[in-house]
This record gives sequence, C-alpha cells and structure tokens, in this order.
Amino acid sequence: AQSVSQHNHHVILSEAASLELGCNYSYGGTVNLFWYVQYPGQHLQLLLKYFSGDPLVKGIKGFEAEFIKSKFSFNLRKPSVQWSDTAEYFCAVTPGAAGNKLTFGGGTRVLVKP
Amino acid sequence: SAVISQKPSRDICQRGTSLTIQCQVDSQVTMMFWYRQQPGQSLTLIATANQGSEATYESGFVIDKFPISRPNLTFSTLTVSNMSPEDSSIYLCSVWDSYGYTFGSGTRLTVV
Repeated sequence: AQSVSQHNHHVILSEAASLELGCNYSYGGTVNLFWYVQYPGQHLQLLLKYFSGDPLVKGIKGFEAEFIKSKFSFNLRKPSVQWSDTAEYFCAVTPGAAGNKLTFGGGTRVLVKP
Repeated sequence: SAVISQKPSRDICQRGTSLTIQCQVDSQVTMMFWYRQQPGQSLTLIATANQGSEATYESGFVIDKFPISRPNLTFSTLTVSNMSPEDSSIYLCSVWDSYGYTFGSGTRLTVV
C-alpha cells in the first residue's frame, strides 16, 4: 500500500528563517502531490499541488515545493517565514489519475516564534 | 473551487448513540470522501462515496459502524453509530473537482 512520510513532526523556528519540510512517498507510478495547511482552529486549505509539468510548483503565501521523481520527494519550502505561518502542514498523494483517494502524511507542526 | 457546508460543526454525544454528519456541496461532484482526524494525528480516509453506488470503505472501517448515504451529486451523510469515546475525532468530508480536493470545515465529535 502506498504511504506518505513527513520526516519532521515538530519544527520550531524564528521569524524570517527559512523553512523546508520533507515529504516522501512510496508509489512507483504517476502521482499527484499536494501540500495542505491547517491553521489553529481552522480547516484544511490547499497550499499548492503538482499534477505534471514544471517540477517546481509555486503556491499561495510564498510557499513552493519541488517534485523530485528520482527521490520520490515533494518538499515544501518558504524562504522567510512569518509568525502567521504557525500551523500544521500535511503532504498528500494520490496515485494515477487525479480524483482518486488522497493518502496523507502524518503532518508537521510548525511553530514560528516572533 | 467547490464550497462545502458541513454540519454540525461540533457535538458532544453519549456513548451508544449515533450521530449523522451532513455534507452539502454547492456544485455537482462525482467523488466525495469522508476522513477522520483523531486528536493530534493526520487524516485517515474512511470511505469514498460515489452517487448511485455503495460507498467503498478503507481497511479498518465498516459499513455497520459508518453508514454513508449519497443520494445525489451535491449531498452526502456519514453516520457514526453506537459511539464510544474512541470515536472522538474530527470528521471531514472532501470533494474532488477540477480545482483539486476541497475539504469541509469538519465536525468535532466528543463522545462521553
């Protein structure tokens, strides 16, 4: 069965620091990749998605992610975080055609200290 | 993207009772999904609900415990039956459309 791994469960950093969250998946075929964010007390929001094409994907709020097929990875980055980026971040994967069920990683809680 | 209205937003229920969660979408969608997010954990898919067919359940989830209805392309319900404290979670519905996957705001269920 496919799985999604997020390496860091908790990340603490200061404002203006750079953020990189790791995501690896175990599926050998075509995949569609997503990063979601869940701010405290709020519902899931889509940050960005990759279906095909340019492996460097830009999302909302200054986030970007790079799909590296050879490494089965889809890491999320932001050059300079703000206190408002404090949230939980989820990587998710669906195999084959988009519209299939999503498999989520375990999530990474990010705390940005002012 | 689709807009989802999920009800109730939260409830506190007695063990042994059942709760039905409703998910209304503002557009017609083929595929709807129900997820559970246990405290401090990630999302786990319960089942996929397609209109006109029986829901497809993931390993560890059964229809008797989580019956699902999908009467049309804009609406679905999930029932959590014979609840126990272990069912205390956030339950979310999700839909797939051309924009991607959109999630409802969730139902926070506490079983006492």
